[in-house]
Amino acid sequence: AQSVTQLGSHVSVSEGALVLLRCNYSSSVPPYLFWYVQYPNQGLQLLLKYTSAATLVKGINGFEAEFKKSETSFHLTKPSAHMSDAAEYFCAVSHGGGADGLTFGKGTHLIIQP
Amino acid sequence: GAGVSQTPSNKVTEKGKYVELRCDPISGHTALYWYRQSLGQGPEFLIYFQGTGAADDSGLPNDRFFAVRPEGSVSTLKIQRTERGDSAMYLCASSENLNTGELFFGEGSRLTVL
Repeated sequence: AQSVTQLGSHVSVSEGALVLLRCNYSSSVPPYLFWYVQYPNQGLQLLLKYTSAATLVKGINGFEAEFKKSETSFHLTKPSAHMSDAAEYFCAVSHGGGADGLTFGKGTHLIIQP
Repeated sequence: GAGVSQTPSNKVTEKGKYVELRCDPISGHTALYWYRQSLGQGPEFLIYFQGTGAADDSGLPNDRFFAVRPEGSVSTLKIQRTERGDSAMYLCASSENLNTGELFFGEGSRLTVL
């Protein structure tokens, strides 16, 4: 069975500072990994995905994540936070091959301080 | 519209009543998913359709929950004898490419059971 752990339900950073949101996974098969973002009153949007190609994955809005098999991690980063990045971020792992739906973490609420 | 559409956006009902939530996926997407998101939690997988058939309904919590997709497009999630614990945001997503696992989400239907 797959599972995802997101460390920190809330993360606060200053505008312009580095954003680091942590995600660790467990999977019995090579995983497909995803980060989704949920802005207030909006649906979930895909930020980026890892599907066994390059281990460093670049997504939208300047975000990227690195797949580290040895650490079973897929942390999300952005060099310089912007006020518009304030949102809920979810890490997710696929059940198998991406076809059977996703298992989500509990989410991390990102707060940007001016 | 081009996105996943869910109706109603908000539903308030009384304990014991029957509820239907509708999802209209992106045109041409063969896969459709239902998730439930409680406050402070990540989305929880309920059921997944490939075409008209339920490929995986292992996430449905009990037999009060049922979903259909009779023509392979619109889907309806049905909840019988609602309980206060059913109160949550119900999310629908669709996908065209089973290999990538990229899901496109609607804005959700918020169900409140009084």
